[in-house]
Amino acid sequence: GAVVSQHPSWVICKSGTSVKIECRSLDFQATTMFWYRQFPKQSLMLMATSNEGSKATYEQGVEKDKFLINHASLTLSTLTVTSAHPEDSSFYICSAWGASGGYEQYFGPGTRLTVT
Amino acid sequence: DAKTTQPPSMDCAEGRAANLPCNHSTISGNEYVYWYRQIHSQGPQYIIHGLKNNETNEMASLIITEDRKSSTLILPHATLRDTAVYYCIVRVDGNNRLAFGKGNQVVVIP
Repeated sequence: GAVVSQHPSWVICKSGTSVKIECRSLDFQATTMFWYRQFPKQSLMLMATSNEGSKATYEQGVEKDKFLINHASLTLSTLTVTSAHPEDSSFYICSAWGASGGYEQYFGPGTRLTVT
Repeated sequence: DAKTTQPPSMDCAEGRAANLPCNHSTISGNEYVYWYRQIHSQGPQYIIHGLKNNETNEMASLIITEDRKSSTLILPHATLRDTAVYYCIVRVDGNNRLAFGKGNQVVVIP
């Protein structure tokens, strides 16, 4: 299957700072990328959907000014957690979808964010 | 998208076939059954999907009942590396939102 990477794989930051997470589709063009969040012992929750070149669509309850999503190219999307707080500590996972990837949704390995 | 029901957990013997059930009684005619799994602290991995017919790939087989209200994912020879949370998801192909339920925590026992 197609490969999706995330960087960094884990990050620790201080409360009040911003953190950027990158999601890349390595061998196909991702017209749509999704960002999920997963708290310990819970399932994945969709945060937002982004189409290349368009503004992201956020799920209800997700603050768009806090979780900035950019999808400027067909292979890269970024999620910036602004003014991070300890409650933002979570496992952030992206997925990518595109015709050249076989129309399946492929997931990145995830980024573990810890806010101290 | 239709809702699915899975057992919260199950144990399987290493080397034996593992049969993972899923109920989706409200599935619509144009909705596919998808299976993903998530190994601890990793991103989900696509396994297989199907509409009506049974499907098989290198990872697993998917058996869908004739009325499409339930399905079974079969791991033919379970290994310890198959220990994971397995998610059964129903969705319309082309609508690429994936709604993850709680899944089925499968533990393969030596």
